[in-house]
Amino acid sequence: NAGVTQTPKFQVLKTGQSMTLQCAQDMNHEYMSWYRQDPGMGLRLIHYSVGAGITDQGEVPNGYNVSRSTTEDFPLRLLSAAPSQTSVYFCASSAVRDYEPLEQYFGPGTRLTVT
Amino acid sequence: AQKITQTQPGMFVQEKEAVTLDCTYDTSDQSYGLFWYKQPSSGEMIFLIYQGSYDEQNATEGRYSLNFQKARKSANLVISASQLGDSAMYFCAMREGVLFSGTYKYIFGTGTRLKVLA
Repeated sequence: NAGVTQTPKFQVLKTGQSMTLQCAQDMNHEYMSWYRQDPGMGLRLIHYSVGAGITDQGEVPNGYNVSRSTTEDFPLRLLSAAPSQTSVYFCASSAVRDYEPLEQYFGPGTRLTVT
Repeated sequence: AQKITQTQPGMFVQEKEAVTLDCTYDTSDQSYGLFWYKQPSSGEMIFLIYQGSYDEQNATEGRYSLNFQKARKSANLVISASQLGDSAMYFCAMREGVLFSGTYKYIFGTGTRLKVLA
């Protein structure tokens, strides 16, 4: 099993550009989520999904879109990049037991710089 | 108000000694989950231990144990017999949401950087 994979590992964007961060998992997990990690602030939830076709906003959703057309994939789209979106982005997935998601498995992260 | 509070930005521990990393949480949900993750300098996030809000026994996983005090809303991580490889950032996290609602969110603390001394 590859677990949770993310591409790219590094990305530099200019202000105003758009791009999609890819995330895939091969564990058949229902719950998937996106976080950003900024220095001194821990991880903050951007968007999450409890299954294919279902997504919801997290703590910091502005400027980001998601979709979940399959169980495996959960891409994150930056609509118009801003320097404030410079961060490390993590995708995670978790199994669900008794309707509640369990521990999350994280991808290796994408380091994004917006100039 | 912070939902997850880790008051120790950094800690030192001597190799082979035990160390406790503090975590307090705030939620009004009846069902929630508490997690600890380790982030080494290489950057990956590694799951360590989980405690459900209805679990009466403290969770243990090898050298890790979670000291769960529900009334005090604390979920401290205890690492026994520290090793040099334990030097890392440690994050406490909470999963909250209403059962059957499908709206489950994870909230992370700001982390504690642990340095194990030889």
